[in-house]
Amino acid sequence: SYELTQPPSVSVSPGQTASFSCSGDKLGDKYVCWYQQKPGQSPVLVIYQDTKRPSGIPERFSGSNSGNTASLTISGTQAMDEADYYCQAWDTSTVVFGGGTKLTVL
Amino acid sequence: QVQLVQSGAEVKKPGASVIISCKSSGYSFTSYVITWVRQAPGQGLEWVGWSSPYNGDTDYAQEVQGRVTMTTDTSTSTAYMELRTLTSDDTAVYYCARRTSTDYAFDIWGQGTMVTVTS
Repeated sequence: SYELTQPPSVSVSPGQTASFSCSGDKLGDKYVCWYQQKPGQSPVLVIYQDTKRPSGIPERFSGSNSGNTASLTISGTQAMDEADYYCQAWDTSTVVFGGGTKLTVL
Repeated sequence: QVQLVQSGAEVKKPGASVIISCKSSGYSFTSYVITWVRQAPGQGLEWVGWSSPYNGDTDYAQEVQGRVTMTTDTSTSTAYMELRTLTSDDTAVYYCARRTSTDYAFDIWGQGTMVTVTS
């Protein structure tokens, strides 16, 4: 079965850039979405089709996808961005999530 | 306002079944597939399956294949997930989410339903 791999944690200081990776075999051939989940809340879509932001998502969130790795970047990270971030892709008709990365804003 | 509202928390014994509902509002129910995702305590997101209100098509994760049935009721704009032969491994928050028709992203999520399996 298809797998997506994410590092378990990322730490940044406020105002710095947070980078998240998501790796999978030929992931660049698939569309990747990213979800933000704060404790006790439902996930929120922050990036879809690799690079697009839904309405209401701040411009500081951006994404890319090439080769075997997709990336999510938060520029000018704020304390409110502290959360778990999950990448997701489709493998034929099934959905695959990465294990998630916890962002700590120090 | 586009939203998905799920049924309340459930406590079940091992071997029992549970049915969770997900009522949609604010959009055309038959135009979007409903996906179910679960999250065990302290763990990540796990896809469970999806169902199409348009034509009744479904697809389930291998982990629950044979124990799960997903249905939709277009008259009430409600999706249902039934999970049978529950074990402690099924203890999780279950979410329904709307899948966008062109981008295949999950843009609207329900509030989640906690299912606890305990003897």
